[in-house]
Order: sequence, then C-alpha cells, then structure tokens
Amino acid sequence: GNSVTQMEGPVTLSEEAFLTINCTYTATGYPSLFWYVQYPGEGLQLLLKATKADDKGSNKGFEATYRKETTSFHLEKGSVQVSDSAVYFCALTATPYNQGGKLIFGQGTELSVKP
Amino acid sequence: DTEVTQTPKHLVMGMTNKKSLKCEQHMGHRAMYWYKQKAKKPPELMFVYSYEKLSINESVPSRFSPECPNSSLLNLHLHALQPEDSALYLCASSLAGTGANVLTFGAGSRLTVL
Repeated sequence: GNSVTQMEGPVTLSEEAFLTINCTYTATGYPSLFWYVQYPGEGLQLLLKATKADDKGSNKGFEATYRKETTSFHLEKGSVQVSDSAVYFCALTATPYNQGGKLIFGQGTELSVKP
Repeated sequence: DTEVTQTPKHLVMGMTNKKSLKCEQHMGHRAMYWYKQKAKKPPELMFVYSYEKLSINESVPSRFSPECPNSSLLNLHLHALQPEDSALYLCASSLAGTGANVLTFGAGSRLTVL
C-alpha cells in the first residue's frame, strides 16, 4: 500500500540554522508529493508540492525535490526563523485518482526554532 | 475568496447531545473532505464528497453523519459521541479530478466530548 515515512521529531534548531526534514514514500503508480505545515492552533497549509520526478517545489525559502530513484522528498531551508516553528507533514496522493486527492500523511515532524 | 471557514471553533458536548460542525468555501471547489486530528498526530480522513455525492467513507462510526447540502457547504452531524471522539475536526476542499490537486484546509473545530 501507499505510505509516507518522516523523520521523528521534535527537531530543535537555533535561528539561522540549516533545516532538513527527511521524507520517504512507498507508492504504486506516480504519486504527487506535498509538504503541509501546521502552525500552533491552526489548520494545515500547503507549503510546496511536486507532481513528477525531478520536480522541485519551493516556497518561503523552503525547497524539496521529488527523487524517484530514492523515493524521497526531503524538506530543506537554508536559514530558519523563529516563525518557522510548526509541525511539518509530508504527504502524497497516488494517481490516477479521479475523485479528488486522498492525502496520505507522514507522522509529522515538530520543529522548534530558538532565538 | 481563498478560504475554508469552519464553525464553531470550539465545541463542548455531552455524550447524549446532538450537534453539528459546519464548513463553507466559495472557491468553486467540487471536492470536500472531513478529517479528524488527534494531538501530535497526522489528520485521518473520514469522508470525501465529490460533486455533492459521498465518494469515500473511511469506515467511520455512524454517530458521525456527513451532509453536503450544496457545492459550497459541508456539515458533520454528531450524535451520541464518546470521549475518545474529542479531537480537532478539519474540513478541506479541492478541485475535483486528479490526485495532484491541492487541498485547502480550514482552521478546524476543536471538539471536546464530556
């Protein structure tokens, strides 16, 4: 079946440190891959996505590249800020799927950035 | 309008009460979703509506009853809930059609069952 595995948290970094959150997946077909972020007390927001192999998604300084050969979609940011403190979810939808995207989430990684 | 609006934000109910959660979007999305999220866990899919028809029910107990009155509204009717049903309930919407579509989530309704 389809699944997503993320590195366990919590991850604690100092401001301006480099961030990597690992995500690997198992899927049949050609999944689309997503990173969602959940700030405290809020719902989930899309951070970035990639829909085919070698695509790079980017937003707000975050990047992730769809690597089919390693079935990975690791999230990176060169210099984190306190405001990046949140829970990050890696997710996929398997295609073809013609009734809307059924997201399969990883377990989430909590990031805490200290000043 | 690029938002999904959920009401109420907080709800406390007894095990014999009947209540409803509401969700509204005006983005022209034709797929709408209910997710349940426990603390420090990923959201779990409950129901999917596509073009106002229920397309996925993830074996959710019948004490949860979804309803999609029109393309902009989604309700979740609650009856005879258990304390373990306490959670954050998230509504989401997307363009229907392919798995590459992005889900837009609401801020959630935090439910406490006493």
